[in-house]
Amino acid sequence: ETGVTQTPRHLVMGMTNKKSLKCEQHLGHNAMYWYKQSAKKPLELMFVYSLEERVENNSVPSRFSPECPNSSHLFLHLHTLQPEDSALYLCASSQDRGQSNQPQHFGDGTRLSIL
Amino acid sequence: GDSVTQMEGPVTLSEEAFLTINCTYTATGYPSLFWYVQYPGEGLQLLLKATKADDKGSNKGFEATYRKETTSFHLEKGSVQVSDSAVYFCALSDLDTGRRALTFGSGTRLQVQP
Repeated sequence: ETGVTQTPRHLVMGMTNKKSLKCEQHLGHNAMYWYKQSAKKPLELMFVYSLEERVENNSVPSRFSPECPNSSHLFLHLHTLQPEDSALYLCASSQDRGQSNQPQHFGDGTRLSIL
Repeated sequence: GDSVTQMEGPVTLSEEAFLTINCTYTATGYPSLFWYVQYPGEGLQLLLKATKADDKGSNKGFEATYRKETTSFHLEKGSVQVSDSAVYFCALSDLDTGRRALTFGSGTRLQVQP
C-alpha cells in the first residue's frame, strides 16, 4: 500500500473512445504528477500539479487532458488516442515545500492498450 | 539540462552475489538523488535517497553514496536474493532548474537466479 491509488489497473480502448484515468492520494501531499512509461524508454513526465495548479506541461499532445479538482485527486482524460499511446501511466504525489529532497510516491499504474 | 545515465541491463546474478548498478548524472544545481525499484506489475517504490554530497542512503541491504566529484550514485548490495529481481531506476531532483518533477534514468533490470 503506497498511499497512491490508481484506477483502473488495466484499460483497453479504441482510438475513438473517451476514457479517464483516476489517481487518488491519501498522504496529505500537495503536488501530483502524471508519467508515461513505455517499453525500453525512460519514464516521461507528462504533467505536474502543485496546489491544484498545473505548473508543468511537458509538450504532451492535446488528446491527453489532465484535471486536478483538489489536492487529493488527479485525472487524465483521454480522447482519440493513437496506438503509440499504449503504455503504463503512473501517477505520483509529493509534498512540495520548495525543497529538492522530497521523494515522490507512486501508484501501481494503469496499463493502457489502444486498439 | 539535467540527465541521468544508468548501465544497461539486464544484469543477471546468482543468489548471494554482490551487486553494483552504476548511475551517473549531470545537473545544473545541487540535486537530490534517489533510487527507485519497480517490481513486476507494480509502480515505482522509493528504495533510498541522498540529499547532499557524501551522504549515504541505505535500505533493505542496499546502499548508495552521493559522490559529487564523480557525479555518481552507484547502487550496491552485498548479497542479492531472488526477491530482489526487479527494475531499478536512478533519479534526481533539481529545483534549481525550476522543475519539481524527477529526472529518471532508463532503468536497469536485475535478474537473480537461485
